[in-house]
Amino acid sequence: DTAVSQTPKYLVTQMGNDKSIKCEQNLGHDTMYWYKQDSKKFLKIMFSYNNKELIINETVPNRFSPKSPDKAHLNLHINSLELGDSAVYFCASSDRTGGSYEQYFGPGTRLTVT
Amino acid sequence: GESVGLHLPTLSVQEGDNSIINCAYSNSASDYFIWYKQESGKGPQFIIDIRSNMDKRQGQRVTVLLNKTVKHLSLQIAATQPGDSAVYFCAERAAGKSTFGDGTTLTVKP
Repeated sequence: DTAVSQTPKYLVTQMGNDKSIKCEQNLGHDTMYWYKQDSKKFLKIMFSYNNKELIINETVPNRFSPKSPDKAHLNLHINSLELGDSAVYFCASSDRTGGSYEQYFGPGTRLTVT
Repeated sequence: GESVGLHLPTLSVQEGDNSIINCAYSNSASDYFIWYKQESGKGPQFIIDIRSNMDKRQGQRVTVLLNKTVKHLSLQIAATQPGDSAVYFCAERAAGKSTFGDGTTLTVKP
């Protein structure tokens, strides 16, 4: 009964490869997010989708492409991986109805690029 | 003990003491604020929120204070326990977007 799940939990890959991280939420929320957390624990939003539509797209390299096949899923595809992409990536979801903007976070995917 | 989240990223307190974690936000248009707790190896978890039309909100052992004049937010944890050891983030929301502050690492000494 996990609320927000991500796969894989760990991802080790070489520079130049292409990889995907998947995210699913079973909370019925209408908005999903991707965050990047660096080694200093700073959380930076990358993308936000509302009802499968992109609503926030921060300054992120074009190598990063989110895809939302439906409201419950938001996947992150990364092309031509670089060393600086190493970080923990968190998926989150929220429901804008009801006036609370609390975000529910997944367990994170630790990406290591060698 | 006290900490300014952006300038003193670590706070160490004795078990049973009260903890105060501070956060300075930058956007005067922010109308909603949340504190999150992130334990090691996990994603951030909601603790408490406050709207800009309030200056104080209490939860179980936690209190959030908001001072809009100086754009300052604080999280007070009463009777701090070892399980409170974590990184704490404040987040402000404006124009539909939430921005997280730098985290403050709270360590509780037994």
